[in-house]
Amino acid sequence: TQLLEQSPQFLSIQEGENLTVYCNSSSVFSSLQWYRQEPGEGPVLLVTVVTGGEVKKLKRLTFQFGDARKDSSLHITAAQPGDTGLYLCAGALATGTASKLTFGTGTRLQVTL
Amino acid sequence: NAGVTQTPKFQVLKTGQSMTLQCAQDMNHNSMYWYRQDPGMGLRLIYYSASEGTTDKGEVPNGYNVSRLNKREFSLRLESAAPSQTSVYFCASSVGLTRRYFGPGTRLTVL
Repeated sequence: TQLLEQSPQFLSIQEGENLTVYCNSSSVFSSLQWYRQEPGEGPVLLVTVVTGGEVKKLKRLTFQFGDARKDSSLHITAAQPGDTGLYLCAGALATGTASKLTFGTGTRLQVTL
Repeated sequence: NAGVTQTPKFQVLKTGQSMTLQCAQDMNHNSMYWYRQDPGMGLRLIYYSASEGTTDKGEVPNGYNVSRLNKREFSLRLESAAPSQTSVYFCASSVGLTRRYFGPGTRLTVL
């Protein structure tokens, strides 16, 4: 059973457009991480959100953790070709063990000129 | 500081063959992980090692074995490869339940 569902699965947009990626679950997470993965490489952490309702900004990327800590969103303003990649959310369940980080299904973003 | 390294980068096996994927980290992390990544499935945990000397099963352990050789190294073994094990395998490390540092991956094809 996949605990974290991401939408959309695929997104192809032109440079300059805005977009939002969603990460949803029925489980409550103690924290949630967002990773970006480029072709042929491993995922790289972008941000961790911990508090319900928390908003974090990383340049043109805005991350929000839902009030109930069950969902998150990633908004990109004025997308650029360098934003192309696979975006993964990952939720940490509140059990405190090393294994309990569940990854979402991923959103593949392509930004064209 | 190389981070997490994996070998090999690519491998093609025939059904029934065995192989070991190697992983090493130089960040002095206690915890290490093996994931597989398949289209539309995200990353699924195969095995993990919370600390040197311990290993535990993840979501999809069947057909795999692991060895935590020392604090730096964590290997994944396929004893009898099957086509269903065709995937991209990632090793990762962390300090407790924090960010995962991933290696570059091994792309495995089983014919």
